Amino acid sequence: DTAVSQTPKYLVTQMGNDKSIKCEQNLGHDTMYWYKQDSKKFLKIMFSYNNKELIINETVPNRFSPKSPDKAHLNLHINSLELGDSAVYFCASSQVYNLQETQYFGPGTRLLVL
Amino acid sequence: AQSVTQPDIHITVSEGASLELRCNYSYGATPYLFWYVQSPGQGLQLLLKYFSGDTLVQGIKGFEAEFKRSQSSFNLRKPSVHWSDAAEYFCAVGPGNNNDMRFGAGTRLTVKP
Repeated sequence: DTAVSQTPKYLVTQMGNDKSIKCEQNLGHDTMYWYKQDSKKFLKIMFSYNNKELIINETVPNRFSPKSPDKAHLNLHINSLELGDSAVYFCASSQVYNLQETQYFGPGTRLLVL
Repeated sequence: AQSVTQPDIHITVSEGASLELRCNYSYGATPYLFWYVQSPGQGLQLLLKYFSGDTLVQGIKGFEAEFKRSQSSFNLRKPSVHWSDAAEYFCAVGPGNNNDMRFGAGTRLTVKP
């Protein structure tokens, strides 16, 4: 019954590797997001997808690429991982691309790059 | 550009005591304001939000917040705190240029028995 789910929950990897984080929502929402929360708990938007179209791409390195195979999924692929990529990554979704709509967050993926 | 300041990094209150978490924002027009709660190891959950209308907003879990334009504040309150309220609380403001919201740094709430 989980509304927004992410896998894996924890990810420990070596610098330079390529990894993916998966996100799925079963709410029938049109818009999905990826956020990064750093070690100081600061939360920042990375990407947003609305009906498979990229809407937001903040100042995120192009090593990060969101991929949406369908409306219910928004995966985050990271190439050439760096130490500074260590963080908690949250997926979220909302009914439509409108800030008045509630965003529902997943439980987070804790990424540690060694 | 919009920004949010949560002046208190960490607050400790006794169970049953009242709570107020501060949030100050910077925004050029009437903002959308949000309070989210993050329990340990969990994602964020929306407590309440303000877009327009009544400046006193009621949320879930007995929380409320008041929008004060003159003070650029949106403080979160609860009359009686429960041990289960121990968590990290985030204030957010929007919409930004990309219809996004900007989060504050968070306030960690500890509840003493």
